[in-house]
Amino acid sequence: DTAVSQTPKYLVTQMGNDKSIKCEQNLGHDTMYWYKQDSKKFLKIMFSYNNKELIINETVPNRFSPKSPDKAHLNLHINSLELGDSAVYFCASSQGRAHGNNEQFFGPGTRLTVL
Amino acid sequence: KQEVTQIPAALSVPEGENLVLNCSFTDSAIYNLQWFRQDPGKGLTSLLLIQSSQREQTSGRLNASLDKSSGRSTLYIAASQPGDSATYLCAVYFQAGTALIFGKGTTLSVSS
Repeated sequence: DTAVSQTPKYLVTQMGNDKSIKCEQNLGHDTMYWYKQDSKKFLKIMFSYNNKELIINETVPNRFSPKSPDKAHLNLHINSLELGDSAVYFCASSQGRAHGNNEQFFGPGTRLTVL
Repeated sequence: KQEVTQIPAALSVPEGENLVLNCSFTDSAIYNLQWFRQDPGKGLTSLLLIQSSQREQTSGRLNASLDKSSGRSTLYIAASQPGDSATYLCAVYFQAGTALIFGKGTTLSVSS
């Protein structure tokens, strides 16, 4: 069983469209994250949720809206897609935000291409 | 500003060589440090997690060390194999309630 799964794996869309990426973890973790890996392969945090509560919101355009229906799921909705949104988006989870043993487990990534 | 730096950006070695990947970070008050491996077009695989109270962790041919006072960690790979070819990422968890800060990675190529 996949620990952290994301759908879709690939997403190709036109500028201006709205799209969503889904993430699910079956590890029983209570903290989930969205990271963005740009064309230079640099990974950077976007959002983090702990027990459905938003705890990290980096400087990300408000076209990006995360939603956590329960602690096993964290979805990412993107409005009015722009060319610069093309990247690989990774979901991750860990046991707890204040927990010292905060080993993070990553999903396989979603490669978003905006044309 | 909290930053993580990895040197070198790329490394090529012949099979069988022992090698060391370097990671440095600002701010010695860290919670833990995690090493990952990323294969082309794939996700991240966690290799080793070192808590702030630990000096090193070992898994198979991999050994990671942590020196908080100097802001450094090293990943030692013994007897490298072509299957070790990948990008190795160092990430630091600086404070509770935050997220990992990643370095830009070292891309390793092991030739047979």
